[in-house]
Amino acid sequence: KNQVEQSPQSLIILEGKNCTLQCNYTVSPFSNLRWYKQDTGRGPVSLTIMTFSENTKSNGRYTATLDADTKQSSLHITASQLSDSASYICVVTRRAAGNKLTFGGGTRVLVKP
Amino acid sequence: SQTIHQWPATLVQPVGSPLSLECTVEGTSNPNLYWYRQAAGRGLQLLFYSVGIGQISSEVPQNLSASRPQDRQFILSSKKLLLSDSGFYLCAWSVESGTEAFFGQGTRLTVV
Repeated sequence: KNQVEQSPQSLIILEGKNCTLQCNYTVSPFSNLRWYKQDTGRGPVSLTIMTFSENTKSNGRYTATLDADTKQSSLHITASQLSDSASYICVVTRRAAGNKLTFGGGTRVLVKP
Repeated sequence: SQTIHQWPATLVQPVGSPLSLECTVEGTSNPNLYWYRQAAGRGLQLLFYSVGIGQISSEVPQNLSASRPQDRQFILSSKKLLLSDSGFYLCAWSVESGTEAFFGQGTRLTVV
């Protein structure tokens, strides 16, 4: 079954600290993996996208890694800011008709001053 | 540039009433279109996706239906809403190659 599992479900960190979010998937055949940031009550916004041959991608203070062999990805947030408080969603696209997206349950991050 | 419009932003409907949420995409042709629901504190659940006009795939049996009457229009409907239909509904689109997906701003539906 094609699934995407994220951990932890929620995370509280102090402003300025770093944190790492995990994503494990069983989606096959794999096309790409994306990390999205979703502010409360808004639609998700893409942070990074990685294909099979890419193992790291950065977007400002966000760095995503991908290990296609173990089917794991991580999102590292450096020097967190209050505006980083949001849900972070891992999305894997299956290389198949319709390019169906499979979403993880998300990790809710709360950055406290 | 491509844009996606989803409306309304919020909706309060009584149990048993019909529903129609609309999503339109501009600036692209033949996009893949998706409807997702996000219950409070939960992840996104794929409801329907469409690869072309009149082509709808349902992911979860439920009280909802979807239609794609035009290439860039995707409609989510219900004949009779249930309390459990409350949630945050998101429309999204992607190009056929699947390298990026773009989301609307969502509709907060409350069934009372």
